Amino acid sequence: EVQLVESGGGLVKPGRSLRLSCTASGFTFGDYAMSWFRQAPGKGLEWVGFIRSKAYGGTTEYAASVKGRFTISRDDSKSIAYLQMNSLKTEDTAVYYCTRESKWLLQYYFDYWGQGTLVTVSS
Amino acid sequence: DIQMTQSPSSLSASVGDRVTITCRASQSISSYLNWYQQKPGKAPKLLIYAASSLQSGVPSRFSGSGSGTDFTLTISSLQPEDFATYYCQQSYSTPPTFGQGTRLEIK
Repeated sequence: EVQLVESGGGLVKPGRSLRLSCTASGFTFGDYAMSWFRQAPGKGLEWVGFIRSKAYGGTTEYAASVKGRFTISRDDSKSIAYLQMNSLKTEDTAVYYCTRESKWLLQYYFDYWGQGTLVTVSS
Repeated sequence: DIQMTQSPSSLSASVGDRVTITCRASQSISSYLNWYQQKPGKAPKLLIYAASSLQSGVPSRFSGSGSGTDFTLTISSLQPEDFATYYCQQSYSTPPTFGQGTRLEIK
């Protein structure tokens, strides 16, 4: 059974840092790109960024709203994806989800999601 | 970025009703369109990918159609567990973007 479990959320002051982890099981983690999304309270879904599999260079892409502040990395030996969040702002307050990206032909979609972890940025 | 617009934003319906939700893209996205269901306090769940392909394990009362800029999600006969918020999402270009959501409520 595919499972994604996020951890590391909590209350943090503006300007500080936090690292989220996404621990995967039930599939060959290294074969998949992994994405992070967030959802502010009562709002819709926002893509944060993703990291490609090593087969595709392990490169990353980020939303404009977090570029330069957030970094996604992965440890395939441990089946964990990370989201390092620096210089946090109050507007980063949200539930953060990690997802697995699957492909069909040229299409991609997010077929498994973690349960989410809440990050609250407040003084 | 490609903008996705859903209509309606909210919808009241009864068990057994046929419901259709519309999603429009700001430019052509071919069939690069996915649909998700989200219940309160839970993560989104993939229902439909590539505009019309049913994700494994999703009931057949859910169906998707469309291409280009206009897409629909149809629930053929609403069940009590279908009351949730539905999102469309384009995977044509980065960043992947979502519609604002359609909240489906019990009438």
